Amino acid sequence: AQSVTQLGSHVSVSEGALVLLRCNYSSSVPPYLFWYVQYPNQGLQLLLKYTTGATLVKGINGFEAEFKKSETSFHLTKPSAHMSDAAEYFCAVSEAGGGADGLTFGKGTHLIIQP
Amino acid sequence: NAGVTQTPKFRILKIGQSMTLQCTQDMNHNYMYWYRQDPGMGLKLIYYSVGAGITDKGEVPNGYNVSRSTTEDFPLRLELAAPSQTSVYFCASSYGTSGLAYEQYFGPGTRLTVT
Repeated sequence: AQSVTQLGSHVSVSEGALVLLRCNYSSSVPPYLFWYVQYPNQGLQLLLKYTTGATLVKGINGFEAEFKKSETSFHLTKPSAHMSDAAEYFCAVSEAGGGADGLTFGKGTHLIIQP
Repeated sequence: NAGVTQTPKFRILKIGQSMTLQCTQDMNHNYMYWYRQDPGMGLKLIYYSVGAGITDKGEVPNGYNVSRSTTEDFPLRLELAAPSQTSVYFCASSYGTSGLAYEQYFGPGTRLTVT
């Protein structure tokens, strides 16, 4: 069975600092990997996804993530944090054809931006 | 396009009552999903459907039922509500075909309290 571990339920960074949110996965087959963002009282919005090909993927709002097979990781980064980045971030993985039977989510990381 | 819509936004149920959470999508997606989100636990898949007339259980299906009579609608039925079903429920949809990774589009959620 696949699983996702997000290190740190809360991460606090200063505005303008580097954002690094960690995600490790386990999967018996090559995974498809996703990062979603959830703003308060809203649904989830896709930030970026990795399927095949280039291991560094760029998403919306200046975020990017790198798939490292040897480390089974898919960490999310942003060079300079903005106050509007404060939200809950979820890493997710799928095996079967990219999610036909649903995604497996991590528990989420709450990103706090300090002024 | 309205995307994925869910009704109601909020609901309070008494123990033992039943209700249906509505979900509609106007993107002609063939795959639809129901997740529940509990604090600090990420999202868990309840049921999913790969097309009209086809449904399957996810990770946490007990206490719920679904149907999929049309491509657009995927209602979730709670019978004999229990306090353990207090949660935020998200419906999602995606386009699916073999060999492609599918972005799931999420609705805004239904916050359900069972007392």
